[in-house]
Amino acid sequence: QTVVTQEPSFSVSPGGTVTLTCGLTSGSVSTSNYPNWYQQTPGQPPRTLIYSTNTRSSGVPDRFSGSILGNKAALTITGAQADDESDYYCVLFMGSGIWVFGGGTKLTVL
Amino acid sequence: EVQLVESGGGLVQPGGSLRLSCAASGFTFSSYWMHWVRQAPGKGLVWVSCINSDTRSINYADSVKGRFTISRDNAKNTLYLQMNSLRVEDTAVYYCVREFNKGAYWGQGTLVTVSS
Repeated sequence: QTVVTQEPSFSVSPGGTVTLTCGLTSGSVSTSNYPNWYQQTPGQPPRTLIYSTNTRSSGVPDRFSGSILGNKAALTITGAQADDESDYYCVLFMGSGIWVFGGGTKLTVL
Repeated sequence: EVQLVESGGGLVQPGGSLRLSCAASGFTFSSYWMHWVRQAPGKGLVWVSCINSDTRSINYADSVKGRFTISRDNAKNTLYLQMNSLRVEDTAVYYCVREFNKGAYWGQGTLVTVSS
């Protein structure tokens, strides 16, 4: 069974740039997987950042961007701010109507 | 303003049943795929099920297939999740989500606790 992989944790300095990735244990991620990215803080529902690989959701600042890097989907945060400290999840379309979330990345800004 | 309001969560014994509802407003409900996503306490997000706009396409995660049933009533702008044969590992906050590929909107979630 294919699993969606994310870095368990990542750290970035304020003002810095960080790229989080979303991969597959078997195969490559492509635009056909329609990667979506979500941000979640404790006790809150997820907030949509990026959908269909690189489309920014309404109201999301342009320092968040999505792409395909190599064989993975990627979320890049440019100019990290303190309130970017959150959990970040990707979800991929696996075909046959099935979606699978990655395990999430806990981002620390310090 | 898009709103998704889940209800129906609560405490249930293993083997029991529960029906979740999600009342939608602020958009044309009948035009969108809808999903259920769950999150166990302290854990990550898990996709559970989805249904297309006219109910002709329905899909489930393997972990709930045969036990959960998703449905919708477009006249009432409401999404449902019938959960049978509940297990302790089904304990989670259940979120109603509007279509991933059009900038998903998420409800606040409803907590389901399966415990004896």
